[in-house]
Amino acid sequence: SQTIHQWPATLVQPVGSPLSLECTVEGTSNPNLYWYRQAAGRGLQLLFYSVGIGQISSEVPQNLSASRPQDRQFILSSKKLLLSDSGFYLCAWSGEDFQETQYFGPGTRLLVL
Amino acid sequence: TQLLEQSPQFLSIQEGENLTVYCNSSSVFSSLQWYRQEPGEGPVLLVTVVTGGEVKKLKRLTFQFGDARKDSSLHITAAQPGDTGLYLCAGAIGNQFYFGTGTSLTVIP
Repeated sequence: SQTIHQWPATLVQPVGSPLSLECTVEGTSNPNLYWYRQAAGRGLQLLFYSVGIGQISSEVPQNLSASRPQDRQFILSSKKLLLSDSGFYLCAWSGEDFQETQYFGPGTRLLVL
Repeated sequence: TQLLEQSPQFLSIQEGENLTVYCNSSSVFSSLQWYRQEPGEGPVLLVTVVTGGEVKKLKRLTFQFGDARKDSSLHITAAQPGDTGLYLCAGAIGNQFYFGTGTSLTVIP
């Protein structure tokens, strides 16, 4: 069966510090991968998606970047965090057999102080 | 611009009542998903509907996809406190998924 992991679960970082959030998927090959940000109790904002290694599409120009160094690994980064980067970050995957559905990781709560 | 509009945004009802949540758009989707999310956790998939007019039932939950594949509804019968959570709809177009604004449901015992 397929599983998706995210870490860390919670992160508190000072303004201006770097960021690296990691997401990995098991049990599938060549998944489509996604990073979302969610404000409290609200819908999801798509940040980046990737259909393959090294292929990243950005939906919202901002202080963040994404990379896909391996088929089942997706990383969200920032060189210098802003207060407005605080939020709940979710990674998701969809695949050839599940093209119509996304499955989400447990999320990372980021607080920038 | 929000592609999918959900209503209501907030809903507080007594245990045992029925409710319907709506997800509307002017765009056509190849499929539509409903998720339920608890605080601090990732959304959990409830159902995927693919065919226009399709109706799926999951115990006390009934999901319908509009004939034109532009809208969907979620109906809960005899709501229970365990149904409390944030309900999200998401429509798929190609490799991208567009999320609704969410409906926060509270079921009071």
